[in-house]
Amino acid sequence: DIQMTQSPSSLSASVGDRVTITCQASQDISNYLNWYQQKPGKAPKLLIYDASNLETGVPSRFSGSGSGTDFTFTISSLQPEDIATYYCQQYDNLPPTFGQGTKLEIK
Amino acid sequence: QVTLKESGPVLVKPTETLTLTCTVSGFSLSNARMGVSWIRQPPGKALEWLAHIFSNDEKSYSTSLKSRLTISKDTSKSQVVLTMTNMDPVDTATYYCARIRVGATRKLDYWGQGTLVTVSS
Repeated sequence: DIQMTQSPSSLSASVGDRVTITCQASQDISNYLNWYQQKPGKAPKLLIYDASNLETGVPSRFSGSGSGTDFTFTISSLQPEDIATYYCQQYDNLPPTFGQGTKLEIK
Repeated sequence: QVTLKESGPVLVKPTETLTLTCTVSGFSLSNARMGVSWIRQPPGKALEWLAHIFSNDEKSYSTSLKSRLTISKDTSKSQVVLTMTNMDPVDTATYYCARIRVGATRKLDYWGQGTLVTVSS
């Protein structure tokens, strides 16, 4: 199975900050990488697909980049409603695998 | 409007078999561009993909749980069923079903609300 490693596992930032999360795959997954947001007690929500495509209806402050083994997820200006845990997921190879998550808190 | 809803027991005993049903609406399980995945999340832990099924009956399972899982669908009822045998307390988790959108991409674009299953005697 492909291992997905996210960093950091948690981070604290202020409203308006630029926030970056990284995800590294244990082997080349091209651009087959999605990002999900999960708020406490809720189901995950798709934000970014194919590494850099914004899902319909998702605010433009969210973005993604990368290919191969190294990927980045960015929030350009952190908002209070962005408090959540973020997960990357690869689907280049079966089985699809998730990262361990990054918990984002407001400073 | 696409919706998915999980149903099943909230409590199972160790060694029992868990059967969960995902009832979908707003899309058809016969659509070649759609499938359904099951994902679980133990309390306070990360997401874990379990299985998926597509319209052509293509199925795939988690490597570590493959021997315990069976996924099936009833297109006429718009339902996907996941069974997991020999349940253990470590299988306590919220179980989600999600729609897979395929084509040039493969993404979990709609999720159910999840159902918490506790394994305890």
